[in-house]
Amino acid sequence: DVKVTQSSRYLVKRTGEKVFLECVQDMDHENMFWYRQDPGLGLRLIYFSYDVKMKEKGDIPEGYSVSREKKERFSLILESASTNQTSMYLCASSLPVTYEQYFGPGTRLTVT
Amino acid sequence: KQEVTQIPAALSVPEGENLVLNCSFTDSAIYNLQWFRQDPGKGLTSLLLIQSSQREQTSGRLNASLDKSSGRSTLYIAASQPGDSATYLCAVEYNFNKFYFGSGTKLNVKP
Repeated sequence: DVKVTQSSRYLVKRTGEKVFLECVQDMDHENMFWYRQDPGLGLRLIYFSYDVKMKEKGDIPEGYSVSREKKERFSLILESASTNQTSMYLCASSLPVTYEQYFGPGTRLTVT
Repeated sequence: KQEVTQIPAALSVPEGENLVLNCSFTDSAIYNLQWFRQDPGKGLTSLLLIQSSQREQTSGRLNASLDKSSGRSTLYIAASQPGDSATYLCAVEYNFNKFYFGSGTKLNVKP
């Protein structure tokens, strides 16, 4: 079974803090993704990575950066958290041929 | 901008009923379409993936169909159960690794 884990289920941070969200997958997938999910807006892609040290911007990369130093780990970084980044953050990885996506349990981030 | 629409936004049915969820997309040049379920406060669970060359996929009581020419996919759930209550999302892959999600259909199956 594919397993995608995220470092925290719930996180509360203050405005201006630097925030790290970690995602780990155990199936040797090349592709990994970060999404945020907001009521009424659905899931929106922030960044994805198709290999170690490779990344591409999604639809809403502003205010975020990512790091992929090892194949199994993909980190999302909020350089200076703001209240409009309060959201559910979902990490996913996908198979190299069919591109079927597998999601982690999500991190609900609140920025106060 | 690619648009993925799911209708209805919410659906309530009695247990045992067969039901159909709809997903429509604006551009027929897709790579894959994937259906997910999401339980409240949780991540997404993959249900079915249909590649662009396929017309349908089946898993247990679930059947998903794809009609690229009309920009539609349906998810058919047979003999619904209370445990099927969740939000169902479809996602369409247009470009390499670029997935666009619908807003989901929230399903409630009443015992």
